[in-house]
Amino acid sequence: EDQVTQSPEALRLQEGESSSLNCSYTVSGLRGLFWYRQDPGKGPEFLFTLYSAGEEKEKERLKATLTKKESFLHITAPKPEDSATYLCAVRTNRDDKIIFGKGTRLHILP
Amino acid sequence: DADVTQTPRNRITKTGKRIMLECSQTKGHDRMYWYRQDPGLGLRLIYYSFDVKDINKGEISDGYSVSRQAQAKFSLSLESAIPNQTALYFCATRDGGVETQYFGPGTRLLVL
Repeated sequence: EDQVTQSPEALRLQEGESSSLNCSYTVSGLRGLFWYRQDPGKGPEFLFTLYSAGEEKEKERLKATLTKKESFLHITAPKPEDSATYLCAVRTNRDDKIIFGKGTRLHILP
Repeated sequence: DADVTQTPRNRITKTGKRIMLECSQTKGHDRMYWYRQDPGLGLRLIYYSFDVKDINKGEISDGYSVSRQAQAKFSLSLESAIPNQTALYFCATRDGGVETQYFGPGTRLLVL
């Protein structure tokens, strides 16, 4: 069964304290892995799409990496405005559906 | 202006009532999706549409129906609302030639 697991469920960091969020996946064939940011009560905001192992993408303080089994979202020197839930999702070769993880709630303390 | 809009943004209704949630997009995408989000369960797919003539069920379609009125409009209906349909509902769109989905701002639905 295709599955996406995110860890940790929640993470509290001090401002400036770098860390990584994990997304592990088991799928029959990966067509794309996605990272989204979601603020409370709002729609997920697209961050990155990764297609193949070894690929990396960066945006401001965020960098996403991909291996054959997992993806990491690295946050460097975070600020309080980076506080949000970060969602990982995958699309498989099977069909058009996206499978979402349950997210990591990130809280950056000033 | 937002590329994907949803109306209403908030709705309170009673058990047994029929309600419709609407989604419009100006992105020109052919594919549209409806999800619901519940605390602890993440985002789950209700229905999706490749174009106006192609509608497909997602993992939790029971109790819901959809209508693709035009390429830019995709509506979700609850024929007889029940309390466990209380959730946050999101519409999303995708260009069939690209992998990424883009989400609307959501509709918060409370069924009493």
